Amino acid sequence: GEDVEQSLFLSVREGDSSVINCTYTDSSSTYLYWYKQEPGAGLQLLTYIFSNMDMKQDQRLTVLLNKKDKHLSLRIADTQTGDSAIYFCAERTYNTDKLIFGTGTRLQVFP
Amino acid sequence: DGGITQSPKYLFRKEGQNVTLSCEQNLNHDAMYWYRQDPGQGLRLIYYSQIVNDFQKGDIAEGYSVSREKKESFPLTVTSAQKNPTAFYLCASSTYGQISNYGYTFGSGTRLTVV
Repeated sequence: GEDVEQSLFLSVREGDSSVINCTYTDSSSTYLYWYKQEPGAGLQLLTYIFSNMDMKQDQRLTVLLNKKDKHLSLRIADTQTGDSAIYFCAERTYNTDKLIFGTGTRLQVFP
Repeated sequence: DGGITQSPKYLFRKEGQNVTLSCEQNLNHDAMYWYRQDPGQGLRLIYYSQIVNDFQKGDIAEGYSVSREKKESFPLTVTSAQKNPTAFYLCASSTYGQISNYGYTFGSGTRLTVV
């Protein structure tokens, strides 16, 4: 079945890089997404990657996709306190419009 | 500006009561979704609708009901049969039937508390 897994917590120092990891099980995934959720708010789309790509960079964000290992990562360069939030990865499979979300990783940035 | 609006932001329910959460979008999206979020459990799909007057159960539909009479609106009713309704509820919408790379657009959520 479909399953998306993430570690629950990550703590980094301000200015360092953060790497949030995600594994998924459905090899027919077409798009993979990263969403950010700030406290008490909805989810905001950060970036996405199509399954035929290995890497996508967007300003401070770098997404890496390893299809062989079904592993997705989000790297945030020069992490700031405003980056503190919960980050969700999600996959969209070939024959459905439903997204399958991971459990979310809570990123805490300390000075 | 186009977007998706959930109301109210906070809702309190007495035991045995039904309550309805509102979700409205002006994005002209075909599909709408309701998720429940509990700490450490991520998002769990309650119901979704891909077209007006049609909807399907998600993974945790028991104790909930929905309607989709208009494209713009997808209200969720939490019934008294839902034994543990205290949670954060998120509504989302998306295009359907098209290859879209934009995923879902989310509302800002409703926090429901049983008192």
